[in-house]
Amino acid sequence: EPEVTQTPSHQVTQMGQEVILRCVPISNHLYFYWYRQILGQKVEFLVSFYNNEISEKSEIFDDQFSVERPDGSNFTLKIRSTKLEDSAMYFCASGGAEAFFGQGTRLTVV
Amino acid sequence: GIQVEQSPPDLILQEGANSTLRCNFSDSVNNLQWFHQNPWGQLINLFYIPSGTKQNGRLSATTVATERYSLLYISSSQTTDSGVYFCAVERFGNEKLTFGTGTRLTIIP
Repeated sequence: EPEVTQTPSHQVTQMGQEVILRCVPISNHLYFYWYRQILGQKVEFLVSFYNNEISEKSEIFDDQFSVERPDGSNFTLKIRSTKLEDSAMYFCASGGAEAFFGQGTRLTVV
Repeated sequence: GIQVEQSPPDLILQEGANSTLRCNFSDSVNNLQWFHQNPWGQLINLFYIPSGTKQNGRLSATTVATERYSLLYISSSQTTDSGVYFCAVERFGNEKLTFGTGTRLTIIP
């Protein structure tokens, strides 16, 4: 069964560093998403991506964040100058009518 | 934005018991999904159910879109059912899912 794959599963980074979270969406899906979940809280939408451009973004998704589809299979989320409050589980999702989520990347900023 | 409320927030049951989880939403939707977040944090798709009723083994779900709620039924609970259950909705014209606050289910052996 096709699945969304995220790497790495865990990442620890120093405050102020840049991180890139990677995702391989399901191959025939057209919509890609990033969500995050701060520990103990609900899942929040960050950004959606369609036809090689951002189609919607939340107020959380400011200039610190960027997304890219560098080739036909990967979808990345870059977080520049990380802050302590960026510590969270980051989920990639892909889909059309139904969204399917990857297993998540747990980011810890120290 | 759309509001998604889930109840109860916490539920503790003995193994073998049945449960009903509720999701209320404040506006019309064209997509509703139920997820199980396991202890490792993974979001597992349970149902894509914008309307009607579906069943998958011991789990079933019903969405009454006109009354803006959905129910998830779990029968004969097992300890592996423990975790947090989220519903998430997508409004017409939007592409994003808005998640509810979740129901934390704990099944005791």
